[in-house]
Amino acid sequence: GDSVTQMEGPVTLSEEAFLTINCTYTATGYPSLFWYVQYPGEGLQLLLKATKADDKGSNKGFEATYRKETTSFHLEKGSVQVSDSAVYFCALISNFGNEKLTFGTGTRLTIIP
Amino acid sequence: EPEVTQTPSHQVTQMGQEVILRCVPISNHLYFYWYRQILGQKVEFLVSFYNNEISEKSEIFDDQFSVERPDGSNFTLKIRSTKLEDSAMYFCASSAGQVQETQYFGPGTRLLVL
Repeated sequence: GDSVTQMEGPVTLSEEAFLTINCTYTATGYPSLFWYVQYPGEGLQLLLKATKADDKGSNKGFEATYRKETTSFHLEKGSVQVSDSAVYFCALISNFGNEKLTFGTGTRLTIIP
Repeated sequence: EPEVTQTPSHQVTQMGQEVILRCVPISNHLYFYWYRQILGQKVEFLVSFYNNEISEKSEIFDDQFSVERPDGSNFTLKIRSTKLEDSAMYFCASSAGQVQETQYFGPGTRLLVL
């Protein structure tokens, strides 16, 4: 079945550091890929998405590229801020009429000033 | 910006009691979902709902669970007889379309079963 594997957390970085959170997936067909973010005390918010190979999703300085050859969708940001502290979830929806999002375990990111 | 809302934000109940979790999806969306997140674990799919019927459900969604859209705006999840292991954060989501459409999530209801 479908699965998403995320980099183990927690991750602690200093402000302005470069961020990478690794995400790889297993799915049949051609899934759509998503990154969701959960700020403290809040629900899941869509951060970015990509629907086909080589697409790059971007939002708020974050980027992720859909790599079919490595089945990856790593999240990157060039210079993190304290306000980026949150839990980040990689997720997919397959394209076989399957409507459910399959999530990774989440990576807790803490940015220190 | 339209958003999914959920009530209550927190609920504490005794084992064996019935609970109803409520959601108001984004108004022009047609597909509705429930997910749950047990503390420290993955977000897991429970059920999807379209055109007034369940379109897909997971193994977790057994006979103790039911969903309903009682009017044009609300979408509810009922747990008939709660168990300790039902303690989790429950998220409602909605999407405009079906195939690989973005799902928009509510803030969640934290359920604690004692």
